[in-house]
Amino acid sequence: DTGVSQNPRHKITKRGQNVTFRCDPISEHNRLYWYRQTLGQGPEFLTYFQNEAQLEKSRLLSDRFSAERPKGSFSTLEIQRTEQGDSAMYLCASSLVFGGSGYTFGSGTRLTVV
Amino acid sequence: AQKVTQAQTEISVVEKEDVTLDCVYETRDTTYYLFWYKQPPSGELVFLIRRNSFDEQNEISGRYSWNFQKSTSSFNFTITASQVVDSAVYFCALSEANQAGTALIFGKGTTLSVSS
Repeated sequence: DTGVSQNPRHKITKRGQNVTFRCDPISEHNRLYWYRQTLGQGPEFLTYFQNEAQLEKSRLLSDRFSAERPKGSFSTLEIQRTEQGDSAMYLCASSLVFGGSGYTFGSGTRLTVV
Repeated sequence: AQKVTQAQTEISVVEKEDVTLDCVYETRDTTYYLFWYKQPPSGELVFLIRRNSFDEQNEISGRYSWNFQKSTSSFNFTITASQVVDSAVYFCALSEANQAGTALIFGKGTTLSVSS
């Protein structure tokens, strides 16, 4: 297992289109997080899963955003009717237990909405 | 409310200089964790350190050292004898301990540029 994998690395889409990102966490990690990072800012928490259960959502996660983690393995983040303000880096992280060495992050998916 | 402030937006140093990155945090919890992450141009966040609120001992790891002071709510990071490979964005982050596995709250980051 080489770490957290995110696909695609880059996505350019037209405003109004739907996009879906995938995150494959470290296999033994039961916790998975999604963050959004805009230029010049630190990552902002979006949502969190423990196994397949979505336990926490940020107010940043509007109703156009939905995340799933079927079977508690990989996760998908879908944005419907994309807007230019959705342009950002979307980061996924996973962890085995709270704290410890913290969260292992993927390289992110950079979304550009034109 | 929880908050992390990294007042230094950008720092430029010449190789071999020492540099300190500041981090000030706010939390109402007595139990919390503080982190530092490095984000190189590739974009991946690389874990550097985690400290819990009950452990105020300073830590040194090679050229890196961290100074945690609860009295001033600060968790500063020093790189000794900086190298070009240290050029990156550095984030300080806070998480509060609860059973739900809370998310990290990040500062805005400090961009460190080390020139040769």
